[in-house]
Amino acid sequence: DGGITQSPKYLFRKEGQNVTLSCEQNLNHDAMYWYRQDPGQGLRLIYYSQIVNDFQKGDIAEGYSVSREKKESFPLTVTSAQKNPTAFYLCASSIVRFPGELFFGEGSRLTVL
Amino acid sequence: AQSVTQLDSHVSVSEGTPVLLRCNYSSSYSPSLFWYVQHPNKGLQLLLKYTSAATLVKGINGFEAEFKKSETSFHLTKPSAHMSDAAEYFCVVSENTGFQKLVFGTGTRLLVSP
Repeated sequence: DGGITQSPKYLFRKEGQNVTLSCEQNLNHDAMYWYRQDPGQGLRLIYYSQIVNDFQKGDIAEGYSVSREKKESFPLTVTSAQKNPTAFYLCASSIVRFPGELFFGEGSRLTVL
Repeated sequence: AQSVTQLDSHVSVSEGTPVLLRCNYSSSYSPSLFWYVQHPNKGLQLLLKYTSAATLVKGINGFEAEFKKSETSFHLTKPSAHMSDAAEYFCVVSENTGFQKLVFGTGTRLLVSP
């Protein structure tokens, strides 16, 4: 079945450590996105990519980094510079022509100890 | 800039009764509007979308929404709630210019009691 796979589902990190969240899709979508979800705040865009080897900052990119070396993959690194990284992270993809029609993974919950 | 306001953080209904989740939007341009549903600890799923065609939009699982430009609203309704409808619902607006960045509302949690 086509879809988006995020891993790990749960992740614990000590302060000062970088962590990388994986996102893989087999939907053949060109566009991929990373969102952060906090209780009561809806979703906020971290980074997005519309084509391989190109990506753009979203609203809250500080303390995060991404790469897009393959169409299928869009990993997110949460760096030690991110001051409040504990959150639920959602990866999504879409056809570029219909950016509002997002397909989401099941999310990764990051907790900083 | 566009924005969206979900008027209720929680809505409680009994199984078999109608559902109404309210959403108002603000947009400088002709917007596209969406409703997404999220079950606990899961990703979001698209329920329905409005993209300047028919103002009454039908979605999956019996949900529908009506675009009312004069009221800047896009309320989500369902005639009869089912226990499986219990989830969080997000109203989303996108301007039909450039990248079409999405702006998410803060969500409405729907509780369904037997």
